[in-house]
Amino acid sequence: DAGITQSPRHKVTETGTPVTLRCHQTENHRYMYWYRQDPGHGLRLIHYSYGVKDTDKGEVSDGYSVSRSKTEDFLLTLESATSSQTSVYFCAITRQENTEAFFGQGTRLTVV
Amino acid sequence: QKEVEQDPGPLSVPEGAIVSLNCTYSNSAFQYFMWYRQYSRKGPELLMYTYSSGNKEDGRFTAQVDKSSKYISLFIRDSQPSDSATYLCAMRSSGGSNYKLTFGKGTLLTVNP
Repeated sequence: DAGITQSPRHKVTETGTPVTLRCHQTENHRYMYWYRQDPGHGLRLIHYSYGVKDTDKGEVSDGYSVSRSKTEDFLLTLESATSSQTSVYFCAITRQENTEAFFGQGTRLTVV
Repeated sequence: QKEVEQDPGPLSVPEGAIVSLNCTYSNSAFQYFMWYRQYSRKGPELLMYTYSSGNKEDGRFTAQVDKSSKYISLFIRDSQPSDSATYLCAMRSSGGSNYKLTFGKGTLLTVNP
């Protein structure tokens, strides 16, 4: 258990509403990531963080923003949700920059 | 050409079979290679982690990396129904800001009793 908690685990929201997903870790690791997983696309990186207030874009960052005000929390915000953002979202951490990643259990988001 | 290619399957084998799962990649800078197992509606779980070329064995699982061919494999011996899952390969380069993982799309494996 890598000590990662994602919340909520499931959410249904309407198009155009803002949505925030939370990733909480208990192990004080520096690097945190948000991925989305879709059939036919696999896991794709949305945003990542390499420290408090240090974040950068991944390959599918449009329509998403992130914040990390504390080491333990990494928030993913959909400013105005669209149906194309219906997906399963995974948070991950790495213990150092060149080691393997550990994943949370995922948040299943449906935008209707 | 995508950076990482993985046959999505599905792959169906009888219990006890040897399973071979593979990925090819195009980025010669990749140095770290991982295999994840993902059960339905769960997060990916790290199975194997290797650095550069060579083999690594852990119980019934063996990971192989051939950097000259840009090809990695995961072998499962004496496969069990509990091995039924999607297997994802992942890799990254080393140093600088290149600590992001690039994933294959996953291979769905079913082991039949």
